[in-house]
Amino acid sequence: GAVVSQHPSRVICKSGTSVKIECRSLDFQATTMFWYRQFPKQSLMLMATSNEGSKATYEQGVEKDKFLINHASLTLSTLTVTSAHPEDSSFYICSASWDRAQETQYFGPGTRLLVL
Amino acid sequence: AQSVTQLGSHVSVSEGALVLLRCNYSSSVPPYLFWYVQYPNQGLQLLLKYTTGATLVKGINGFEAEFKKSETSFHLTKPSAHMSDAAEYFCAVSLTDKLIFGTGTRLQVFP
Repeated sequence: GAVVSQHPSRVICKSGTSVKIECRSLDFQATTMFWYRQFPKQSLMLMATSNEGSKATYEQGVEKDKFLINHASLTLSTLTVTSAHPEDSSFYICSASWDRAQETQYFGPGTRLLVL
Repeated sequence: AQSVTQLGSHVSVSEGALVLLRCNYSSSVPPYLFWYVQYPNQGLQLLLKYTTGATLVKGINGFEAEFKKSETSFHLTKPSAHMSDAAEYFCAVSLTDKLIFGTGTRLQVFP
């Protein structure tokens, strides 16, 4: 149980285009979903926290107009990287939690974004 | 503020040897503590977690960790390393609704 999927697993796009990444909780309802960014050989950096039906809470330094997050249902959250640039190239990982205390997060397999 | 320190960015052991990955945390109140493993180009998989109760926590794949409040530590151990244990390991602390990750320790296992 507690499986989280991400789609796509890998995406290459041209600079200036927008890319949407989906995060789905397959066998549970996620009250909260999290989006992380991971640079090569570094730890995960929390970008934002989203609760179903409400606006995402962004971490300091993360541009909310650049990284659009939608959490339309209890099993789906999307991250859209708008007008992507090469510096946005990274590994994006989502996680989901079902308990209000958010005691445990279950992570997706990640999406590798390369912006040319 | 909470923080997590993982001592040693790289640890190398021989197959069959003891694995010890160190994690120290800083928190004003007892936190929830986690160890996650990440294989190349994959997301994170939960190994084990401590919330309350027994301070020695057993996880998957033969790993365990002990919460030591006096030392503010949550070191991860495994008695005998397997080749398949080679991966990146992250310690994390959670107090409210966020996970704060350490910088990770890459475990190499030599035959």
